[in-house]
Amino acid sequence: AQTVTQSQPEMSVQEAETVTLSCTYDTSESDYYLFWYKQPPSRQMILVIRQEAYKQQNATENRFSVNFQKAAKSFSLKISDSQLGDAAMYFCAYRSTGSEKLVFGKGTKLTVNP
Amino acid sequence: NAGVTQTPKFRILKIGQSMTLQCTQDMNHNYMYWYRQDPGMGLKLIYYSVGAGITDKGEVPNGYNVSRSTTEDFPLRLELAAPSQTSVYFCASRGQGRTYEQYFGPGTRLTVT
Repeated sequence: AQTVTQSQPEMSVQEAETVTLSCTYDTSESDYYLFWYKQPPSRQMILVIRQEAYKQQNATENRFSVNFQKAAKSFSLKISDSQLGDAAMYFCAYRSTGSEKLVFGKGTKLTVNP
Repeated sequence: NAGVTQTPKFRILKIGQSMTLQCTQDMNHNYMYWYRQDPGMGLKLIYYSVGAGITDKGEVPNGYNVSRSTTEDFPLRLELAAPSQTSVYFCASRGQGRTYEQYFGPGTRLTVT
């Protein structure tokens, strides 16, 4: 079974600085998708960024970028120029292309200090 | 578009009671999902549907039932509520196509006492 591990229960960053959140996953599949979701205190799950496994190029969305290392099964999220509004729980998630099941990690709580 | 809407936002149930969590999406998405999120954990899939009339079990289906009579609605039924079902429940949907991501509703916080 696929598993997703986020080894950092909590992280903190100073406003305007850069932070990297770690995620590793375990799978025997070769074709899959990886996601980072943000969950602010409002509880709404918001998609931050998505990576398709067959694409070697790392995905970027404005201040958010990933470092996708397929061989190492690693998928870290880098947030540049951190803002107070980035404070939230961040969840890494995996989905095989042959499945509807989205597998989540336990999350990392990010605090942004002014 | 309202996206994915869920009702109610909060609910307290007594052990043994039943209830239905409502989920509606207005994006004409074929795929819909129900997840639960326990404290300090990620989301776990309860049931999903790939279209009207078609449902399938996820990771944690015991104690729940679903139906999908229309494209828009995907209600989740709890029969004989138990304290272990205390959780936050999220509904999600996605469009056709392998690359489409899931869009989530705001969640329902359920407490069973």
